[in-house]
Amino acid sequence: GENVGLHLPTLSVQEGDNSIINCAYSNSASDYFIWYKQESGKGPQFIIDIRSNMDKRQGQRVTVLLNKTVKHLSLQIAATQPGDSAVYFCAEIQLYAGGTSYGKLTFGQGTILTVHP
Amino acid sequence: GAVVSQHPSRVICKSGTSVKIECRSLDFQATTMFWYRQFPKQSLMLMATSNEGSKATYEQGVEKDKFLINHASLTLSTLTVTSAHPEDSSFYICSARGDRAGANVLTFGAGSRLTVL
Repeated sequence: GENVGLHLPTLSVQEGDNSIINCAYSNSASDYFIWYKQESGKGPQFIIDIRSNMDKRQGQRVTVLLNKTVKHLSLQIAATQPGDSAVYFCAEIQLYAGGTSYGKLTFGQGTILTVHP
Repeated sequence: GAVVSQHPSRVICKSGTSVKIECRSLDFQATTMFWYRQFPKQSLMLMATSNEGSKATYEQGVEKDKFLINHASLTLSTLTVTSAHPEDSSFYICSARGDRAGANVLTFGAGSRLTVL
């Protein structure tokens, strides 16, 4: 089939800097959001999640911010390391749209993060 | 915990042949499995949702006769790309949703890269 799509935006940072990766989501009814990291040739790895009744959640070196007014998510990575280089995707879910909807993710565009030593 | 295994990780086939990709949940029972396709430098696109013992639900634009999905047990789902053509070359990723030790889990496989010559 026809393959139409945008190429991923990129973000380059120096080792030790903080990184901010942004994502615009599409469905105002989504109530759960996840950030994934995908290394080349591998499947997505869970980083951090946030429910729609929160606006901030912190993990180890990572923070997710949610702004429902403008349907925007961001992932902040503190003290970025070369091992953080990967593609980062946000994903959204409607948890309560129906019993089988959990797990049906809609992925955002993705951002390629490159960390220079 | 909550491991999902995909096999094969890479496959090369001739145009017109069929290829089967397996997705197994190793330490939990997956009531639902999701199949995604990812073209180079693009995001993951959901192809279909399969529930154990029932027919898969395909996303709009995905040909069900082209991409056959079988979810015959709580630990195995298969995706068969029938009469593959070069435009079917892609990275195919599954995710499995289930219950492990009383908690909802949603885990991705490592992906299968299909190259059709």
